[in-house]
Amino acid sequence: DARVTQTPRHKVTEMGQEVTMRCQPILGHNTVFWYRQTMMQGLELLAYFRNRAPLDDSGMPKDRFSAEMPDATLATLKIQPSEPRDSAVYFCASGLDGVSYEQYFGPGTRLTVT
Amino acid sequence: AQSVTQPDIHITVSEGASLELRCNYSYGATPYLFWYVQSPGQGLQLLLKYFSGDTLVQGIKGFEAEFKRSQSSFNLRKPSVHWSDAAEYFCAVGDDRGSTLGRLYFGRGTQLTVWP
Repeated sequence: DARVTQTPRHKVTEMGQEVTMRCQPILGHNTVFWYRQTMMQGLELLAYFRNRAPLDDSGMPKDRFSAEMPDATLATLKIQPSEPRDSAVYFCASGLDGVSYEQYFGPGTRLTVT
Repeated sequence: AQSVTQPDIHITVSEGASLELRCNYSYGATPYLFWYVQSPGQGLQLLLKYFSGDTLVQGIKGFEAEFKRSQSSFNLRKPSVHWSDAAEYFCAVGDDRGSTLGRLYFGRGTQLTVWP
């Protein structure tokens, strides 16, 4: 049963520290999406990639967030420096363009910045 | 711009009762429509999708949804709700154009509570 995996599942860190979240998309998928979910804002798209190329990262605070795909099996989302307002659940999703548009979500990383 | 509205933030139903969750979308072309479900502490799981063809689509867990172009709606239904259906439900519309190909636009979600 192919699934999107995310690590870590939970992260507690102090303000100012760097946070790195990792995502392994489903093998063969060529699109990867990063979302942030909070009670106030709901589900927000931060960035997404097609064939490892970044397409849109307009949803990310550029000064502190960065997203990359070093290879087809790994996507990373970094926050440096982290702030308390970054506390949220971060989801990664993957999909396959040209076949269908559904996205498959990982279990999320719950980030708490104190 | 594409958008999705879920007018009901929270719905409460009794177990065994029927359910309808509303979803309205704004999209300039034929939409790709989805319903996802999120249980507490979990990621979003795809319930069903509409791309074309029959406007009544069946999904997992006994859910179905009907696409009505004239009303720009894609409401989710279930004839008899089970306590395990308590979760948050998200409607989404997909973008099949240009540089935003593959992007999904999500509604704010409807929280479903099921009374025993």
